[in-house]
Amino acid sequence: AQSVAQPEDQVNVAEGNPLTVKCTYSVSGNPYLFWYVQYPNRGLQFLLKYITGDNLVKGSYGFEAEFNKSQTSFHLKKPSALVSDSALYFCAVRDVMNTGFQKLVFGTGTRLLVSP
Amino acid sequence: EPEVTQTPSHQVTQMGQEVILRCVPISNHLYFYWYRQILGQKVEFLVSFYNNEISEKSEIFDDQFSVERPDGSNFTLKIRSTKLEDSAMYFCASGETGDNTEAFFGQGTRLTVV
Repeated sequence: AQSVAQPEDQVNVAEGNPLTVKCTYSVSGNPYLFWYVQYPNRGLQFLLKYITGDNLVKGSYGFEAEFNKSQTSFHLKKPSALVSDSALYFCAVRDVMNTGFQKLVFGTGTRLLVSP
Repeated sequence: EPEVTQTPSHQVTQMGQEVILRCVPISNHLYFYWYRQILGQKVEFLVSFYNNEISEKSEIFDDQFSVERPDGSNFTLKIRSTKLEDSAMYFCASGETGDNTEAFFGQGTRLTVV
């Protein structure tokens, strides 16, 4: 089965500094990878996805993610963090069930805290 | 910006009681989903719903669970007789297409079974 792992429960970074939120994946076949963000009292919001093509994927709010096949990683990055980036971030991979139905398999989430 | 809304934000119930979690999907969406996240664990797929019937369900979605779209706008998840292990954050999602990797998620309902 497809899975992702987020090794950090929390990441702390100062405003203006670059941030990285880590994700590694385990898949059979080609990975379809995603990042979602959940702000307080809001739903999960899609940030970006990797299907194929360039290893560096750009998404919403200035975020980007780097797909690294040799390291089986898909880390989320931003060059300069904002306090408003503080939220819960979920990495996810697409899994295809025997019936052909596609579902998302999420990681446990990483809380990002950006201090002023 | 249209969004999926869920009510209540937090529900506390006694073990053995029935609970109904409510969701209002985005109005032109046709595909509906429930996911849940037990505290500290992964967000897990529960069920998908299309054309007034379940299209897919996971092994978690046993006979204690049911979903329906009672009035064309709401989408509900019912747990018939709650257990302690049902305590989790439940996320509703909806999408225009059957690719639920492009679904929009609600803010979640935290269910606490005591």
